[in-house]
Amino acid sequence: AQSVTQPDARVTVSEGASLQLRCKYSYSGTPYLFWYVQYPRQGLQLLLKYYSGDPVVQGVNGFEAEFSKSNSSFHLRKASVHWSDSAVYFCVVGSNAKLTFGKGTKLSVKS
Amino acid sequence: DPKIIQKPKYLVAVTGSEKILICEQYLGHNAMYWYRQSAKKPLEFMFSYSYQKLMDNQTASSRFQPQSSKKNHLDLQITALKPDDSATYFCASSQVRSNERLFFGHGTKLSVL
Repeated sequence: AQSVTQPDARVTVSEGASLQLRCKYSYSGTPYLFWYVQYPRQGLQLLLKYYSGDPVVQGVNGFEAEFSKSNSSFHLRKASVHWSDSAVYFCVVGSNAKLTFGKGTKLSVKS
Repeated sequence: DPKIIQKPKYLVAVTGSEKILICEQYLGHNAMYWYRQSAKKPLEFMFSYSYQKLMDNQTASSRFQPQSSKKNHLDLQITALKPDDSATYFCASSQVRSNERLFFGHGTKLSVL
């Protein structure tokens, strides 16, 4: 069975600071990995996805994530956060669109 | 304009009643899905449809019945509602049933009293 662990339920950072949101996954075989973001009162939107190739994948709005097979991790990073990045971020693993979501990390950016 | 329309946005129901959650997508996609997000659990996959045919069902209860009357519609009928059914239900779609990007609607928040 596949699973995703996001160990941090809430993260608070100051505007302009760097960010890392952690994600560990469990999956048999080669996983499809995603980060989705949910802004307040909106549906989920895809930030980035990874299947193979360069372990560092670029997403929208300056986000990137790094895949590590040895650590079973897919951490999300951003060099400098903006207040508009405040949202809930979900790490996701899946195949054939049967996605398994982590519990999410709520990011608050202080201005 | 939202390309995936879910109606209603909010829904209050009494225990034992039946409700239908509406989902229409205007992206020209061939695969549609339902996911559920309850207060204490992560977002959970429920159903997938491809070309109006049920492909995957991970919902144990038969009280949840998806209905696809048109290619771009995937409604969700819930019967004999229970308080535990309270959640936000998200409809999603993708071009084909694969691992490519899913587009999500804004959700229907269901409260069962």
